[in-house]
Amino acid sequence: DAEITQSPRHKITETGRQVTLACHQTWNHNNMFWYRQDLGHGLRLIHYSYGVQDTNKGEVSDGYSVSRSNTEDLPLTLESAASSQTSVYFCASSESGPGSEQFFGPGTRLTVL
Amino acid sequence: SQKIEQNSEALNIQEGKTATLTCNYTNYSPAYLQWYRQDPGRGPVFLLLIRENEKEKRKERLKVTFDTTLKQSLFHITASQPADSATYLCALDQTGANNLFFGTGTRLTVIP
Repeated sequence: DAEITQSPRHKITETGRQVTLACHQTWNHNNMFWYRQDLGHGLRLIHYSYGVQDTNKGEVSDGYSVSRSNTEDLPLTLESAASSQTSVYFCASSESGPGSEQFFGPGTRLTVL
Repeated sequence: SQKIEQNSEALNIQEGKTATLTCNYTNYSPAYLQWYRQDPGRGPVFLLLIRENEKEKRKERLKVTFDTTLKQSLFHITASQPADSATYLCALDQTGANNLFFGTGTRLTVIP
């Protein structure tokens, strides 16, 4: 069965360190998304990609970067982790058609100390 | 400023009754509106999509309405069951480009 996975599921890091969260999907979807979820804010879009070599900034992209070298993976990098980036991170993917449903991964809980 | 508000943080309802959740938005013009279910510790799961030119959509015990004049969507679960207890999220897609803006969610508890 097709799926979307995230790793690690939990991570604790220190302020200033670079952190990379992995996202891998086997749906063969062109669209991939990264969100963060915080109490009181809901899910907010960080970065998204419509295909290989395509990346775009979302609503809360400062301090984050992504790259898309193949269809299956969209890793999210925190260049220099800050305590404000403590959150639960979700990756999602969807087909290219308008209004397509998004399939979400299980999430990564990141704590920055 | 742009806002997506879901009626309340938490809603308790008796088993068998109809649960009605509200999603109101300001300064958006969504082409599509989606509803997702999220269980604790898990990612959201898609439930229903409604287009701006549709008034109502149904799927089994679920019904969604969309009023672009009122800038509101209502999400109904009929004959609610304890297994329906979860957080429900509405999400707006302004252009059909699949970039979603999410509300903060309503946590529904169905009491046996």
